[in-house]
Amino acid sequence: EVQLVQSGAEVKKPGESLKISCKGSGYSFTSYWIGWVRQMPGKGLEWMGIIYPGDSDTRYSPSFQGQVTISADKSISTAYLQWSSLKASDTAMYYCVRQIRGLRMYYFDYWGQGTLVTVSS
Amino acid sequence: SSELTQDPAVSVALGQTVRITCQGDSLRSYYASWYQQKPGQAPVLVIYGKNNRPSGIPDRFSGSSSGNTASLTITGAQAEDEADYYCNSRDSSGNLVVFGGGTKLTVL
Repeated sequence: EVQLVQSGAEVKKPGESLKISCKGSGYSFTSYWIGWVRQMPGKGLEWMGIIYPGDSDTRYSPSFQGQVTISADKSISTAYLQWSSLKASDTAMYYCVRQIRGLRMYYFDYWGQGTLVTVSS
Repeated sequence: SSELTQDPAVSVALGQTVRITCQGDSLRSYYASWYQQKPGQAPVLVIYGKNNRPSGIPDRFSGSSSGNTASLTITGAQAEDEADYYCNSRDSSGNLVVFGGGTKLTVL
């Protein structure tokens, strides 16, 4: 059974750093892209970027380029989303997703349970 | 701003058919995928590609596309279908992903 299990909820102060994780199991972790999706409170879904754990090829949405870092450790089948200096506006639920890239489509067939990040002074 | 446009809210009577649409230039070249999100839960993929349903998704869910518009149709809507629905696709450049703003479906 394919599973993406994310790390637990975080409460941080503005300016602090943070790294959240997403552990894949039940499939070949290095053969599928892993993405991150943000959902701010009461708002829609936003695609942040993806990484291919097999070779660490990483792509970012222009909206998130330079704001976050996506990485992966294939030895432990885990992807990460990292901030160096959090802002209150980073408060959101973050989902990791397994992204399928087809000839005429991209879609997310498995989702993690979400990690709630709260940034408040 | 999103490159894919959805109606913010749609309603349907129990047992009736409802169509949720998603518009965008990239849909002329790429298929949309559709996700259902219920309150407090992670989204779930319901339609991908031309008209494919993942295992476990009822066959009352179907997808179609014409020009720059993709549609998700629920034939015989049930109370449990009340949720937010999001479309997504590759963006116009083909390299990135975009989501629609979401449609809140109410089953009356």
